[in-house]
Amino acid sequence: GQNIDQPTEMTATEGAIVQINCTYQTSGFNGLFWYQQHAGEAPTFLSYNVLDGLEEKGRFSSFLSRSKGYSYLLLKELQMKDSASYLCAVFDSNYQLIWGAGTKLIIKP
Amino acid sequence: GAVVSQHPSRVICKSGTSVKIECRSLDFQATTMFWYRQFPKQSLMLMATSNEGSKATYEQGVEKDKFLINHASLTLSTLTVTSAHPEDSSFYICSASSPGQGNTEAFFGQGTRLTVV
Repeated sequence: GQNIDQPTEMTATEGAIVQINCTYQTSGFNGLFWYQQHAGEAPTFLSYNVLDGLEEKGRFSSFLSRSKGYSYLLLKELQMKDSASYLCAVFDSNYQLIWGAGTKLIIKP
Repeated sequence: GAVVSQHPSRVICKSGTSVKIECRSLDFQATTMFWYRQFPKQSLMLMATSNEGSKATYEQGVEKDKFLINHASLTLSTLTVTSAHPEDSSFYICSASSPGQGNTEAFFGQGTRLTVV
């Protein structure tokens, strides 16, 4: 079956750095997405990785290792507004999005 | 990024009535649209995948006669919740993509919060 694993919840301190991991096992791979979702809202696109390596976009970076079926989202200089759920999703061979359950990130002052 | 407009954003309906939710891709042609629902504190759950001009593919456990999906054009897909009941109350989200045209990102609508009373 297809499976995406990420931690259920993480806590970090304002101004710090946090890394959210995602491992996946899917039938084929056509890219991995990270989305941010605040409560009651639709997910917002953060990043897309299809090649191995690190993609940096401001305070957020995303890393992919296809051979390991592994990705992480790195958030730097955490702000209170970063408190949200972070969803990892993979496009499989049929371009169907397979979703992880999301990681709830709690930022403390 | 591309814009996907979902309407309405909130709807309250009486039990037994039907509700139609529209999902429009405003500035690109979406060959594939996905419909999700999300219960509080849970992840998105894919309900169905629709490709323009063909019947939607429903996920296991999703009643196709209850959740009617129409993807008649490259810019519009609709989800109709027929004979809605309180247990259908949820957050419904559509997303659109055109993977075959090199646009691999999936763009999301704003979501529709459905409350059935």
